[in-house]
Amino acid sequence: DAKTTQPNSMESNEEEPVHLPCNHSTISGTDYIHWYRQLPSQGPEYVIHGLTSNVNNRMASLAIAEDRKSSTLILHRATLRDAAVYYCILVYSGAGSYQLTFGKGTKLSVIP
Amino acid sequence: GAGVSQTPSNKVTEKGKYVELRCDPISGHTALYWYRQSLGQGPEFLIYFQGTGAADDSGLPNDRFFAVRPEGSVSTLKIQRTERGDSAVYLCASSLDQVGLEVNTEAFFGQGTRLTVV
Repeated sequence: DAKTTQPNSMESNEEEPVHLPCNHSTISGTDYIHWYRQLPSQGPEYVIHGLTSNVNNRMASLAIAEDRKSSTLILHRATLRDAAVYYCILVYSGAGSYQLTFGKGTKLSVIP
Repeated sequence: GAGVSQTPSNKVTEKGKYVELRCDPISGHTALYWYRQSLGQGPEFLIYFQGTGAADDSGLPNDRFFAVRPEGSVSTLKIQRTERGDSAVYLCASSLDQVGLEVNTEAFFGQGTRLTVV
């Protein structure tokens, strides 16, 4: 499986934007980039995913580099509720793909 | 409820005992996954069901672990002769179909069962 690299931890002030980076230099053309987050004492929850183009949804934006070797999850205004571990995961797009392979993720702390 | 439900939320058992962990997936979801998460680590894949059958059980650590999904809905993870090293949070997730297909990209996780073996 193609692997991802994320910083262990990041800090942000409340109500400021947060940019969470992910490197995936061995990504293949059929891999989608998924982000999940895990709040304390909760199971992971889906945030966003993309293939080549930048994506926006109600939770976040995903900016994907032109060569697809890196991506950035953008939280436009961090709130205390956004304090969580954020996982960047590559998912092969096709039949037979069912595993989400989690790394250690980035622990985001939000400072009031 | 609308989400994935796992029971019990906490389980304390003695070393050597047998335990069962239950997962109620979202209605209509054909894919069901079990993961295990140790402190400070990301979730680790255990087993994947498509309908009633275990399509991939390669993540089960040894033959003390077994899971069933007899009617294609509720699943039970069974652990025999529990060991202290089995202590972890066991997570269940379901999705409409297998993650990765273009029409289905989101897995929904339960809150997990925290298993403590003393």
